[in-house]
Amino acid sequence: DGGITQSPKYLFRKEGQNVTLSCEQNLNHDAMYWYRQDPGQGLRLIYYSQIVNDFQKGDIAEGYSVSREKKESFPLTVTSAQKNPTAFYLCATQQVGETDTQYFGPGTRLTVL
Amino acid sequence: GNSVTQMEGPVTLSEEAFLTINCTYTATGYPSLFWYVQYPGEGLQLLLKATKADDKGSNKGFEATYRKETTSFHLEKGSVQVSDSAVYFCALSYSGTSYGKLTFGQGTILTVHP
Repeated sequence: DGGITQSPKYLFRKEGQNVTLSCEQNLNHDAMYWYRQDPGQGLRLIYYSQIVNDFQKGDIAEGYSVSREKKESFPLTVTSAQKNPTAFYLCATQQVGETDTQYFGPGTRLTVL
Repeated sequence: GNSVTQMEGPVTLSEEAFLTINCTYTATGYPSLFWYVQYPGEGLQLLLKATKADDKGSNKGFEATYRKETTSFHLEKGSVQVSDSAVYFCALSYSGTSYGKLTFGQGTILTVHP
């Protein structure tokens, strides 16, 4: 079954804790992205990676960190420095050379208690 | 910088009504334009796209035409169904120095009643 998987679907965290969201893909796409979705604000880019062992900050990177040790995986860590982490987090992939089309995973809903 | 503006929602229609969701953009160069759809509790799915001026994207009865002169990419459907109820996002991609970065509008909630 090909595609993008994100886990867990729902995640609860206490204030002050770090938490890591998983994103795995078997599409063999080069680029991967993390977005945050809040009601009425559309999606905002957190981090993106075009190749393994390289990544760049997006528009709202503060309080987040990522790694890209494997082509298939792009985990996102939400740190305690993120002031308002409750949101829906979406991972996306893109094949270098395609006409800018990104494909999205099902998302993880993070709630800080 | 690049930006996308969508019409304010939510939009509520009866089944078989005509749908228009307006989208305008600001960008340098020649961006690609997209409409994505999000069903409740799910990720985004690409609905249609257009990569150059005057191109028309279409899928599942939805259409949108890339209008460079009015910097618009309005989404239309002639006869909506209850199953079209979702959130619709207009987006643009302009490579520049940020490869493939998508800029999204705020989303428009569509509810279709039987």
